[in-house]
Amino acid sequence: AQKITQTQPGMFVQEKEAVTLDCTYDTSDQSYGLFWYKQPSSGEMIFLIYQGSYDEQNATEGRYSLNFQKARKSANLVISASQLGDSAMYFCAMREVNAGNNRKLIWGLGTSLAVNP
Amino acid sequence: SQTIHQWPATLVQPVGSPLSLECTVEGTSNPNLYWYRQAAGRGLQLLFYSVGIGQISSEVPQNLSASRPQDRQFILSSKKLLLSDSGFYLCAWRGWGYTFGSGTRLTVV
Repeated sequence: AQKITQTQPGMFVQEKEAVTLDCTYDTSDQSYGLFWYKQPSSGEMIFLIYQGSYDEQNATEGRYSLNFQKARKSANLVISASQLGDSAMYFCAMREVNAGNNRKLIWGLGTSLAVNP
Repeated sequence: SQTIHQWPATLVQPVGSPLSLECTVEGTSNPNLYWYRQAAGRGLQLLFYSVGIGQISSEVPQNLSASRPQDRQFILSSKKLLLSDSGFYLCAWRGWGYTFGSGTRLTVV
């Protein structure tokens, strides 16, 4: 069965430094998509970055990049030059395509990131 | 552009009272819609999804139900709330990616 594992319940990083949030996944599908979302204390879920299973290049969106290692089934999020506003929960998710073609998201349990000044 | 609206933002309800949370989407037609629940400090649990009017799929047996009376409206309901229904409820719409509403924080007392 599809599964997302985030092994870091909490992470700390100094402002302006880079941080890597780990995500491993398990799927037997050849076609899948991987997402990272940020959830600040307000609760809204903010889309950060997407990686398709057939994408050869690692996805990048501003200060966010996704270190995609398909053979290892990992999709780690790298945040460069951390800012205080990056303090939040971060969730990794995988898009599942079931027989009914309803593409549900499988979620990890999240990593709480605290950026220290 | 597509937007998703969810209300209310916060709700405190007594045990045994009914519940109705509403989610509407603008700027698209026939969207796939989802209701998620997030317990404190936990990940998201998919409750219901809908691929069209009147079409509801339930992921987890529970005290809640969902309805989709209109193409861009998705409602989460309960006849009698339990303490365990407390949590943060998020509605989402699937386009290219997934866009979430701002959430409803429900506290059952």
